[in-house]
Amino acid sequence: NAGVTQTPKFRVLKTGQSMTLLCAQDMNHEYMYWYRQDPGMGLRLIHYSVGEGTTAKGEVPDGYNVSRLKKQNFLLGLESAAPSQTSVYFCASRRPSPGSNQPQHFGDGTRLSIL
Amino acid sequence: GNSVTQMEGPVTLSEEAFLTINCTYTATGYPSLFWYVQYPGEGLQLLLKATKADDKGSNKGFEATYRKETTSFHLEKGSVQVSDSAVYFCALRSPNRDDKIIFGKGTRLHILP
Repeated sequence: NAGVTQTPKFRVLKTGQSMTLLCAQDMNHEYMYWYRQDPGMGLRLIHYSVGEGTTAKGEVPDGYNVSRLKKQNFLLGLESAAPSQTSVYFCASRRPSPGSNQPQHFGDGTRLSIL
Repeated sequence: GNSVTQMEGPVTLSEEAFLTINCTYTATGYPSLFWYVQYPGEGLQLLLKATKADDKGSNKGFEATYRKETTSFHLEKGSVQVSDSAVYFCALRSPNRDDKIIFGKGTRLHILP
C-alpha cells in the first residue's frame, strides 16, 4: 500500500543550491499537486498537474518549477534555493471526479531547510 | 472567490470532552466539503466528506453536517481521546473548479489525559 511516496524526507540546503523533490504515486491518479505548509499559513498550492505532460501554477509558484513527464511522477524543482523556501512540502494526488467529491491522497512530506 | 475559514487554535480539551471545531466557507454553487486530519510527522488524511446540502459525513466518531443555509461544516465529536490530538483542516472543492481544493489554515487540537 505505497500510495503517495515523497523523497527525500529531509534535506538541508545552502542558499543558491538547487534540488529536486520527487513525488511518486501508484494509484494511477490523473491529478497531482505540490503544497508547502508553513506555521499559521495552512497549506498553499505551489503547482499542480491535471495529467501527464501538463502543469499549472498554483497560489505560490515563484521560485519553483515542476515537471510531469510520467503519469506516476511529479517533480518539484528549486533552481536557486532561498531561506524563504524553508518549509514542509507535501505532494498529493487524486482521480478527477464528476461532482468534485474525490479526496486527495497525501504523501508524508519533505522537510526542507535552507541555510 | 472560494475560501474556507476555520477557528484558530490551539484547542485544548480533557479526554472525554465534547469537541467542536468551527468551519465556514464561501463558494459559488454547491461545493464538496471535506475534513482532513494531520497527525504529527505525517501527511493529511481524509477524515470525512459531504457532497450536498444536509449530508452528514462521519468517521471514527467524528461528524460534520453540510449546512447550506449557514455555509458551515463544523466538526464534532462527543468524547475525544488523547489519540485525537492532531491538526484538523477544513476544505472545499468547487464543482466549477474540479482541479483545485481550498484548505483552511488548520486547527491544532491537544487532548489532555
